[in-house]
Amino acid sequence: QKEVEQNSGPLSVPEGAIASLNCTYSDRGSQSFFWYRQYSGKSPELIMFIYSNGDKEDGRFTAQLNKASQYVSLLIRDSQPSDSATYLCAVKSGTSYGKLTFGQGTILTVHP
Amino acid sequence: NAGVMQNPRHLVRRRGQEARLRCSPMKGHSHVYWYRQLPEEGLKFMVYLQKENIIDESGMPKERFSAEFPKEGPSILRIQQVVRGDSAAYFCASSPTGQGSNQPQHFGDGTRLSIL
Repeated sequence: QKEVEQNSGPLSVPEGAIASLNCTYSDRGSQSFFWYRQYSGKSPELIMFIYSNGDKEDGRFTAQLNKASQYVSLLIRDSQPSDSATYLCAVKSGTSYGKLTFGQGTILTVHP
Repeated sequence: NAGVMQNPRHLVRRRGQEARLRCSPMKGHSHVYWYRQLPEEGLKFMVYLQKENIIDESGMPKERFSAEFPKEGPSILRIQQVVRGDSAAYFCASSPTGQGSNQPQHFGDGTRLSIL
């Protein structure tokens, strides 16, 4: 089992729709959860981070965390073509110092 | 520019040569992390450093790779006797605090290493 798994893509949604990106992790000791966006050939850009169970909203983005189910998700409302990118889920465990473990990424395409 | 600075952006080396990748963290950040992204693969952790200390090098290959973060100057990732399999994008990230901290890591633009 991979440490961090993301739903297989690519994911294609129409402009204006809600895009839902999912991530599961294997280490129950994980404490911090991050979503990064990476455009092709570019560096990862921090979108959201969440530490506590529940929802966290920032503009069009909502991160959801359920530690009991070892599940974290990212919702993008009113998706725009500029949201088309690879979304990376990253997890930091409580014992790994600063190390982030990344999922393989989900490619999102928002078509007009 | 107050972001994480990496140089060079692109580096071409022939097999057997040495590659040196540099990273200056964001202002106020004293913790540096190096990650590697192979073509069509995810980001993999390599090493975590604080000033003059290696905190976690569990992701570093045992041979040919080394990293440092001296008291003065940027962090350096050094690859000796490069091979074609070292071709990848190498990203540096920094955070204001490290061990036990939940502070997010911010990434630089990366160095794209190509081995001929």
